[in-house]
Amino acid sequence: KNQVEQSPQSLIILEGKNCTLQCNYTVSPFSNLRWYKQDTGRGPVSLTIMTFSENTKSNGRYTATLDADTKQSSLHITASQLSDSASYICVVGLSGGYQKVTFGTGTKLQVIP
Amino acid sequence: NAGVTQTPKFRVLKTGQSMTLLCAQDMNHEYMYWYRQDPGMGLRLIHYSVGEGTTAKGEVPDGYNVSRLKKQNFLLGLESAAPSQTSVYFCASRPRTGELFFGEGSRLTVL
Repeated sequence: KNQVEQSPQSLIILEGKNCTLQCNYTVSPFSNLRWYKQDTGRGPVSLTIMTFSENTKSNGRYTATLDADTKQSSLHITASQLSDSASYICVVGLSGGYQKVTFGTGTKLQVIP
Repeated sequence: NAGVTQTPKFRVLKTGQSMTLLCAQDMNHEYMYWYRQDPGMGLRLIHYSVGEGTTAKGEVPDGYNVSRLKKQNFLLGLESAAPSQTSVYFCASRPRTGELFFGEGSRLTVL
């Protein structure tokens, strides 16, 4: 069964600190891995997308890594800001006609002053 | 350029009532999707469409119907709402190869 598991479920950090979120997947055949940010009451917004051949991708203070051999990804947030408070969702895409995707349940991050 | 727009944003229904959620995108995307998001679960695909006039079932299609009469619109219908359909519904669209763009969500409560 294709699954995407994220850890931790929730996280509280102080403003200015760094943090790393984890994503493990059993999806096959793998096509790509994406990280989304979802603010409370809003729709998910894409942060990064990586294909099989890419092992790191940055978007400002967000850096995603991918190890396709171990089927693990991480999202590192540098110098966190209050506006980083959100849920972060790992999404793995399968190869296929309409590129089916499997969503993780997300990590809820709270950045406090 | 509004992106993906969902209406209504909030709705309360009684069990057995029917309703339609509208999704409109102005990016000329081929593919459109309806997902539901429930606490503790990842987004689950209800139905999707790969082009005007075509629809297909996703993971959790029971109790829902969809139509895509125009390329820019994707409608999600509930013929006889049940409390189990209380959820937040998200519409998304994307080009043939590219990223998913999500709407802001429609929160539905069925009493």
